[in-house]
Amino acid sequence: DAMVIQNPRYQVTQFGKPVTLSCSQTLNHNVMYWYQQKSSQAPKLLFHYYDKDFNNEADTPDNFQSRRPNTSFCFLDIRSPGLGDTAMYLCATSEGPSNQPQHFGDGTRLSIL
Amino acid sequence: AQSVTQLDSQVPVFEEAPVELRCNYSSSVSVYLFWYVQYPNQGLQLLLKYLSGSTLVKGINGFEAEFNKSQTSFHLRKPSVHISDTAEYVCAVRRTGGGNKLTFGTGTQLKVEL
Repeated sequence: DAMVIQNPRYQVTQFGKPVTLSCSQTLNHNVMYWYQQKSSQAPKLLFHYYDKDFNNEADTPDNFQSRRPNTSFCFLDIRSPGLGDTAMYLCATSEGPSNQPQHFGDGTRLSIL
Repeated sequence: AQSVTQLDSQVPVFEEAPVELRCNYSSSVSVYLFWYVQYPNQGLQLLLKYLSGSTLVKGINGFEAEFNKSQTSFHLRKPSVHISDTAEYVCAVRRTGGGNKLTFGTGTQLKVEL
């Protein structure tokens, strides 16, 4: 009964080769988030969608992009990944009001070689 | 802007002993507070949250936390830990007045030993 599902769980890709990570949800939440978590660090918000409205964090690198074709799905696209993009990528969802907790998927561990 | 400090990066404890994991925050506005648990190679699972009302909040797996506004703290406690509690525990805050952004601490690794 997983509610936030991320695919794949593990991804290995070459330096500079575009990669797409997928997130789907069965909660019908209107907000979806993407976080980057490097080893022994706190998760860092990259961007989020409030319905169809895209909100980018000021320090998110330009080669990180996102798509949300419908309520259930959200994608993270890394156009030209560098070695420093090796990390765990976490997707989360929440209902609109800000006091509602975020629900996380199990993450995609991305390794850039 | 908000910030979260978890001073203890690792806390070793024997099984059945009590534990307290510390979380302090800094914010110029009122906040909501959350504790998440993260098992290896998994995402963050909500343990408990403080939104308003009683400052003592009970969560899953026997954990509880107390919001202390004067000390800007939200420490997590469990009276008797189990081996299965070994995990990373992450404290987070969010502004009450709009916005969806969570600010996370760097986490505390709880290691329960026999």
